[in-house]
Amino acid sequence: EAQVTQNPRYLITVTGKKLTVTCSQNMNHEYMSWYRQDPGLGLRQIYYSMNVEVTDKGDVPEGYKVSRKEKRNFPLILESPSPNQTSLYFCASSTIADTEAFFGQGTRLTVV
Amino acid sequence: KQEVTQIPAALSVPEGENLVLNCSFTDSAIYNLQWFRQDPGKGLTSLLLIQSSQREQTSGRLNASLDKSSGRSTLYIAASQPGDSATYLCAVVRGKLIFGQGTTLQVKP
Repeated sequence: EAQVTQNPRYLITVTGKKLTVTCSQNMNHEYMSWYRQDPGLGLRQIYYSMNVEVTDKGDVPEGYKVSRKEKRNFPLILESPSPNQTSLYFCASSTIADTEAFFGQGTRLTVV
Repeated sequence: KQEVTQIPAALSVPEGENLVLNCSFTDSAIYNLQWFRQDPGKGLTSLLLIQSSQREQTSGRLNASLDKSSGRSTLYIAASQPGDSATYLCAVVRGKLIFGQGTTLQVKP
């Protein structure tokens, strides 16, 4: 089944403790991206990747890192999480930029 | 700066009714427009993608239209069912997805 898989689905952590949210797609898509969803602010892009080893900042990249060492994986790294990063995070992929996007199930992160 | 607006924010209809969800955007220079469905606690499910060269796209009971010149898209749902209850999001596509705030639909049995 074609899908985008995120892990974990739920995560509660403490301020400053490094964490990684994994994202994997099995559709051989070149373009992958991360979004966060917040009440009243909607969905906003954090980072994106056009292909392996090519990443760039989206609209709200502060406090996040990404890497794209393999085509299928695009992990989101929070080196020192803070409470304002409490949010619902989504990974998405598409064949190339500007084509139909497919989203993962989301990761609900709480930073206390 | 591109802004995407969805009105109404919430909608409640009886089962069987046909309905229209609206999406407007300020910059007509878009590549595509995509409609999604989001169920509580779940991810976004792609419903329809309309390419900028298309006027409409259909999938089952869903029909989406696009008018770039007026900056509008509509999602038409025919014969609504309780299972259609969800939040519907539109997103314009130009290098990234720019989302509206969504319309939360409740279909009552």
